Amino acid sequence: NAGVTQTPKFRVLKTGQSMTLLCAQDMNHEYMYWYRQDPGMGLRLIHYSVGEGTTAKGEVPDGYNVSRLKKQNFLLGLESAAPSQTSVYFCASSYSRVAGLETQYFGPGTRLLVL
Amino acid sequence: AQSVAQPEDQVNVAEGNPLTVKCTYSVSGNPYLFWYVQYPNRGLQFLLKYITGDNLVKGSYGFEAEFNKSQTSFHLKKPSALVSDSALYFCAVRGRTGANNLFFGTGTRLTVIP
Repeated sequence: NAGVTQTPKFRVLKTGQSMTLLCAQDMNHEYMYWYRQDPGMGLRLIHYSVGEGTTAKGEVPDGYNVSRLKKQNFLLGLESAAPSQTSVYFCASSYSRVAGLETQYFGPGTRLLVL
Repeated sequence: AQSVAQPEDQVNVAEGNPLTVKCTYSVSGNPYLFWYVQYPNRGLQFLLKYITGDNLVKGSYGFEAEFNKSQTSFHLKKPSALVSDSALYFCAVRGRTGANNLFFGTGTRLTVIP
């Protein structure tokens, strides 16, 4: 059981370039989430998905797009990267939102630097 | 609006001494409360949670937390700190209605001094 995996681990982009971050989970979880972590700000939710084919905006969705074509995968896209998107990105998944089943499990993170 | 406050950016404690990492929250209605730990260059790991029932929650690695509704707090505690407990700790809250998303605090860096 690999849990939640993320690729790549580290990436450097130039302003205006695009990229896709991949998150995969093998726990058959319905819910998946993308967060960004910035110094002194904790984790902030970018987008989330409550099931295959569905996505929703979180707290800081601007500049990002997501897709959930398969239950086990959740992709985060940056169409035109900006230096403000320099951050560490974490993916998480949870089985449900029902009490007792809502614990989120996190991937190891992707460190993104936009120059 | 939901929010979490971790008033201390840094907590230092000597090995073997008890430790406390503070967390207060704001949410409409009864909360779901969580503690996560992050080791260097790693993702967050779940420690414990409060959903309902007993106010004292026990979690992984000997950690526990006490839910105090009147003080809207959920402080993390451990009776005897280990050097290996040194890490970044995050408190998070989720409401029981609406979007039900997790809101994280800004984190507290715990350093256990040998």
